[in-house]
Amino acid sequence: GNSVTQMEGPVTLSEEAFLTINCTYTATGYPSLFWYVQYPGEGLQLLLKATKADDKGSNKGFEATYRKETTSFHLEKGSVQVSDSAVYFCALSEGSNYKLTFGKGTLLTVNP
Amino acid sequence: SAVISQKPSRDICQRGTSLTIQCQVDSQVTMMFWYRQQPGQSLTLIATANQGSEATYESGFVIDKFPISRPNLTFSTLTVSNMSPEDSSIYLCSVTAGGNEQFFGPGTRLTVL
Repeated sequence: GNSVTQMEGPVTLSEEAFLTINCTYTATGYPSLFWYVQYPGEGLQLLLKATKADDKGSNKGFEATYRKETTSFHLEKGSVQVSDSAVYFCALSEGSNYKLTFGKGTLLTVNP
Repeated sequence: SAVISQKPSRDICQRGTSLTIQCQVDSQVTMMFWYRQQPGQSLTLIATANQGSEATYESGFVIDKFPISRPNLTFSTLTVSNMSPEDSSIYLCSVTAGGNEQFFGPGTRLTVL
C-alpha cells in the first residue's frame, strides 16, 4: 500500500534560518504530492502541491520538488519566520478516489 | 477553494453517549471525507461520504460506530456512537472541488470523559 515517511520532529530554528523537512513516499503508481500546514488550534491548510515528476510546488516562500527517482518531496524555505511555527504534513493521493495518505507530521518551532 | 464549516467546534461528552458532527460547504463539491486526528498523531481517513448512498469505510472503521450521512452535495454528518475516552480526537471533514487537492474544515475537538 501507499505510505509517507517524513522526518521526525520537533524542529527548532531561529528566525531567518533555512528550513528543510524531508519527505519520502511509497506508491504503486504516480501519486500527487502535497504539503499541508496546521497552525496551533486550527485545521489543515493546503500549502503546496505537485502532480507529476519534476514539478515544483511553491507558496508563501516554501518550495518542494517532486523527485520520482528518489521518491521524495522535501519541503524547503530559505528564511523562516516566527509565524511559520506549525505542524507540517506531507501527503499523497493516487487514483480517482483522491484519498490522502499522510505522514506523521513535523512540528516546527521558530524562535525570534 | 471551498469554504467549509463544522459544528460543533468542540465538545466534552460522557462515555456511552453519541455526538453528531456537521460539515457544511459553501458550494457543491465532488467528494467529502471524514478524518480523525488523535492527540499528537497524524490524520487517518475514516470514510468517504457518498451522496445518496452508504459511506465507504476504511479498514478499522465501521458504520455502527461512525454512521455517516450525505443527503446532498454540500452537507454531511458524522456520528461518533457509544463514545469512550479513546474516541477523544479532532474530527475533520474535507472536500474536493474539481481538482485533486482536498480542503479541510476547521475540525471538531472532541473530549470524552
